[in-house]
Order: sequence, then structure tokens, then C-alpha cells
Amino acid sequence: QSVLTQPPSVSGAPGQRVTISCTGTSSNIGAGYDVHWYQQLPGTAPKLLIFVNTNRPSGVPDRFSGSKSDTSASLAISGLRAEDEADYYCQSYDSSLRGSVFGTGTKVTVL
Amino acid sequence: QLQLEESGPGLVKPSETLSLTCTVSGGSISSRGYYWAWIRQAPGKGLEWIGTIYYSGSTYYHPSLKSRITISVDTSKNQFSLKVTSVTAADTAVYYCARQSVSNTFWFFDFWGRGTLVSVSS
Repeated sequence: QSVLTQPPSVSGAPGQRVTISCTGTSSNIGAGYDVHWYQQLPGTAPKLLIFVNTNRPSGVPDRFSGSKSDTSASLAISGLRAEDEADYYCQSYDSSLRGSVFGTGTKVTVL
Repeated sequence: QLQLEESGPGLVKPSETLSLTCTVSGGSISSRGYYWAWIRQAPGKGLEWIGTIYYSGSTYYHPSLKSRITISVDTSKNQFSLKVTSVTAADTAVYYCARQSVSNTFWFFDFWGRGTLVSVSS
């Protein structure tokens, strides 16, 4: 099954910068399809955090930023805060699946 | 503000059919350019796209589920629905409905329902 690969966990102290990688293949990110990121706070539904690689929906702090290159993408969180503790998922379109594929998910812990 | 709300039984017996409805408020399900999707998350696991429908009735299904799922839309009620047949314990999950933006280079989900837990058990 097509899937985007993320590290299971990342952690950082308050105020630090952390990055989450998302590695795809030639049928999704490598094929030029855009990457999007979601934040899922404990016990809640996912929330769109970054769309079309680098764009933030209204209300999302500029501490969150996205980038994309070749077959991978990254989410950066700067000025880490306690309320950023959550699971983060990347997502893209996959041409072999002819549908959406999600990343494996990354748990961010604020030390 | 657009809102989506899932509804349906929280418990389904093995081999039976799971049926869920998503009611859209604060906007029209017939809005051009927006699609409507079902996504699920098994307990402690990641997100899995199930399928997508356009208001016209065009559907797109995950290949691994295609033989068991049907997604339909009722524009008069501003609702869309999911049916999964022959369920097993592996179908136990929180089921989310979401609005989906689509272009030739992207699919993404910008509004989500709160989700509903469906357990498959006898």
C-alpha cells in the first residue's frame, strides 16, 4: 500500500525548532503532487495546518512552515510551545492509488 | 463557517454493513470545485483515505476497499453517506467526513467532522 514515511516521533524544548520529514515516491511527491500537513491534537479530529506545500490557512501561526523538494517534504515548527504537542500527518495524491495517501504520522513531544 | 457532522451506529456486528451519514451545514454540498470524502483512523493508528464523491455522483474509492464500499450523495439533504459491507474487526475505527479541495496537482482536506467511533463486535 502506498504510504508516505515520517519519523515516529520528534521532541524539543520550549522555544526550540523541530522539523518533521515526509518521504514519498515517484507516484506521489516525486511525481509533482503537492504535500499538505495536518495537526491532530489528542482526542480531536485532524486540522489542516499547511496546504499546497507552503501555505497556511487563516489562523495558523507563522511558527509553522512547510517545504517540498524532489520526493520529500518537511514541516518545521519554530518557537515550540506546549500546545504544539500533537500528532502530525503529511498527505498527498498518489497516481498509482488514484487517491489520497497519508504519512505514517509523527508525535511531537515538548520536553 | 462550514461544519460537518457524522452520524450512525457506534456498534456493528461482524459480516454486517456499516452505514454512516455526513451532514454538511454552513455551505452547500453542491458547491462547484469541492469534493466530499471519508477518512478513517483505527485505534492508535494513522489516517486512511476511504473514498471521495462529487455532488454530481462521481466517486473515487481506495483500491483495497473498493469491493466493499459505496459512497453516495443526497444534495436535497446536503448529506453524503458511506456504506461498508462485510465488516470485520479491522474496520473498527473513528470515521471522519471531510471537505476536499481538488486540482490537477493536489487533493487536500480543509474541513473535517469531529469523527464517530464505529466498533465491529458481536
